[in-house]
Amino acid sequence: DTAVSQTPKYLVTQMGNDKSIKCEQNLGHDTMYWYKQDSKKFLKIMFSYNNKELIINETVPNRFSPKSPDKAHLNLHINSLELGDSAVYFCASSPGGGGAIYEQYFGPGTRLTVT
Amino acid sequence: GNSVTQMEGPVTLSEEAFLTINCTYTATGYPSLFWYVQYPGEGLQLLLKATKADDKGSNKGFEATYRKETTSFHLEKGSVQVSDSAVYFCALRANQGGKLIFGQGTELSVKP
Repeated sequence: DTAVSQTPKYLVTQMGNDKSIKCEQNLGHDTMYWYKQDSKKFLKIMFSYNNKELIINETVPNRFSPKSPDKAHLNLHINSLELGDSAVYFCASSPGGGGAIYEQYFGPGTRLTVT
Repeated sequence: GNSVTQMEGPVTLSEEAFLTINCTYTATGYPSLFWYVQYPGEGLQLLLKATKADDKGSNKGFEATYRKETTSFHLEKGSVQVSDSAVYFCALRANQGGKLIFGQGTELSVKP
């Protein structure tokens, strides 16, 4: 009955590889997000989708490509992985169209290590 | 642009001590304010929120009041427990797209 789930929980890979992280929410929310948490715990938005449409695209290298097959899923594909991509990636969801009053519900995170 | 600044950690307290973690923000319009907590090895959980000026959010003994005049949302707890040891994030959410803007996080360590 997990609300926001991510797979895998841990991902270790080599530079240059391509990898994907999957996210699913069973809360019926319209909006989903990807955040990156660096080694100093700093969290920053990467992308947001509302009903499968991209609404936020921060300054993120175009090696990162989100895909939302339906409003319950938001996957993150990363091409040509670099050492600096090592971080914890969090998926989140919220009701409504992104209005300020709604809180976001976070997944458990995916720890990506690039060697 | 919008931003959030928290007091730097780590903060180390003894059990039953009083906790304050300062948070100030810069925003246009009327953002909502949140405190999230991240326990070791886990994701973020919403601790409390306030959506307009003078609102007080409270949960699990923690409180924070939305102060528009001082642009602050300080987190307080009267008596901390070892189980409160975690990283605490202050965040704001403006209306433009709904993204959360986080402070840098404050690590709290409570010793028995």
